[in-house]
Amino acid sequence: SAVISQKPSRDICQRGTSLTIQCQVDSQVTMMFWYRQQPGQSLTLIATANQGSEATYESGFVIDKFPISRPNLTFSTLTVSNMSPEDSSIYLCSEGGYTAGEQFFGPGTRLTVL
Amino acid sequence: AQKITQTQPGMFVQEKEAVTLDCTYDTSDQSYGLFWYKQPSSGEMIFLIYQGSYDEQNATEGRYSLNFQKARKSANLVISASQLGDSAMYFCAMREGLTGGSYIPTFGRGTSLIVHP
Repeated sequence: SAVISQKPSRDICQRGTSLTIQCQVDSQVTMMFWYRQQPGQSLTLIATANQGSEATYESGFVIDKFPISRPNLTFSTLTVSNMSPEDSSIYLCSEGGYTAGEQFFGPGTRLTVL
Repeated sequence: AQKITQTQPGMFVQEKEAVTLDCTYDTSDQSYGLFWYKQPSSGEMIFLIYQGSYDEQNATEGRYSLNFQKARKSANLVISASQLGDSAMYFCAMREGLTGGSYIPTFGRGTSLIVHP
């Protein structure tokens, strides 16, 4: 099973600032996913990050607001830019692949924007 | 239409009793996977169990079992001998297109389980 770590685990940020969240997987994975979970809600996919190509964003999410990097097969970052209180959520990264089976998540980053 | 439906926003169970959390899904794919995750108040998503659409046997992992009824498109999670530590949100999820698709999972709205002593 994949072990995924995220940094930071939580942060409190001021409106208008940006935060970069790091996701590290202990093995090489083809695809990584970034999710947002707003308070009391389910998970919403932000984007899919493949190594060596631009991230693919879901409807309602744009690169200017959520730039993603994927420099290698074990690491990705998500930046939440120009934050507002509406961005207060848990952000989770996940690994994924082209085969069926388990899918593991990082421990999440709990973001509060004041 | 929702791909994953969890109709129970909240469930209560007595410690040591069994509980079933419902999940129905909607897909036209023949090859797909179904997952259950537990999310305690800490926020992490803990993988519990996986069922592939071609698996003939119901998946089991310790006290967790998945009651897979393909014709009814249901994938209920059964937790036997509930423990206080089982109190959490539970999410059902599905990945479609396992024969060449993007493998992007879709999540249900979740069920909050509270285990009483």
